Amino acid sequence: GQQLNQSPQSMFIQEGEDVSMNCTSSSIFNTWLWYKQEPGEGPVLLIALYKAGELTSNGRLTAQFGITRKDSFLNISASIPSDVGIYFCAGPSSNTGKLIFGQGTTLQVKP
Amino acid sequence: NAGVTQTPKFQVLKTGQSMTLQCAQDMNHEYMSWYRQDPGMGLRLIHYSVGAGITDQGEVPNGYNVSRSTTEDFPLRLLSAAPSQTSVYFCASREVPYSYNEQFFGPGTRLTVL
Repeated sequence: GQQLNQSPQSMFIQEGEDVSMNCTSSSIFNTWLWYKQEPGEGPVLLIALYKAGELTSNGRLTAQFGITRKDSFLNISASIPSDVGIYFCAGPSSNTGKLIFGQGTTLQVKP
Repeated sequence: NAGVTQTPKFQVLKTGQSMTLQCAQDMNHEYMSWYRQDPGMGLRLIHYSVGAGITDQGEVPNGYNVSRSTTEDFPLRLLSAAPSQTSVYFCASREVPYSYNEQFFGPGTRLTVL
């Protein structure tokens, strides 16, 4: 079945640094979603992308829908301690329409 | 709006016990789903429902049952708990199946099976 692979698996950065993470698949996705999960909570949607090449921002977060439709990227600028959490990419399977999630990138920010 | 609520927040079971994880939403969403989250594996779909009276299996349905008698509630039943079902369980809802950008998750139930 379709899978989403996220990298890196984890990141430990200094406050103020920029962060980049990505999500790749061997098959095409027509929608990309980026979620953040804070400790002890459920995931919350950050950004949704619907068109190849699309670049969308939400505050200090910017996400891009890859041109090949097989990848997506999330950047966080000037990280702050409250950015800590697990970031998931997700997309609906072209076969079933059900959401598939990547395994997540865990971000830790040192003040 | 309370959004998506889940109870209990924590639960410890012994192997072979049964229990029901509760999920409710007050947004009149047609689509509800259950996921489990295991370290390094993201979220995997257990069961889902596109409306009252309609349920279907997801990626990892074995050992779990669901029913949807009302729009608001979507309980997940473990008939005979096994250690492999130790996980964090999330319920989610969205208005219709394809409104992916409007999916809301509950706070989760952390289940340990001894």
